[in-house]
Amino acid sequence: EAGVAQSPRYKIIEKRQSVAFWCNPISGHATLYWYQQILGQGPKLLIQFQNNGVVDDSQLPKDRFSAERLKGVDSTLKIQPAKLEDSAVYLCASSLEARSNEQYFGPGTRLTVT
Amino acid sequence: DQQVKQNSPSLSVQEGRISILNCDYTNSMFDYFLWYKKYPAEGPTFLISISSIKDKNEDGRFTVFLNKSAKHLSLHIVPSQPGDSAVYFCAARGAGSYQLTFGKGTKLSVIP
Repeated sequence: EAGVAQSPRYKIIEKRQSVAFWCNPISGHATLYWYQQILGQGPKLLIQFQNNGVVDDSQLPKDRFSAERLKGVDSTLKIQPAKLEDSAVYLCASSLEARSNEQYFGPGTRLTVT
Repeated sequence: DQQVKQNSPSLSVQEGRISILNCDYTNSMFDYFLWYKKYPAEGPTFLISISSIKDKNEDGRFTVFLNKSAKHLSLHIVPSQPGDSAVYFCAARGAGSYQLTFGKGTKLSVIP
């Protein structure tokens, strides 16, 4: 079974630029999550999708972050414009359903904003 | 306001001995707890979990203990192996919530 795929693995941008991350969840997983993990911290949920609908985006900085999951499969997370404090690893995870006890994580995208 | 706390940033243990990783939480609405393991440059991997209706769950070398009155859980690894060297995250989920709240992690080093 293929795992959660993410690209790119690394990205370096200057502040005020925009960036997009892509995630392909495990086949058949209805729920998809985007997390932000700042160095030395645990992952923090940014947004959760159930199929192509948003379940929870309460911690997503909506003035600069956006995410979509068209067709309920792949998802993209965008930051525009980026700030220095956005430097982090962005993790995508998926699970069979919203209340699944186990989430499967991708390898993450390490973003550095200079 | 950290609702899930892992107060030990790192832990070193000799191979073959027991590793004990601790986690405290403040939110009494949490009803499900999970441990994730993370190797460098990889995403976290689910390890073991426990519901608040239990006080112990065991899976091979891994056992999680939950003390609800103390709002404390611990992960025991016996015997520890060098391949267990990783960062361990404690996570919690509230009743009726889909969201996981993670601690900052504890880096375990198992010395051969």
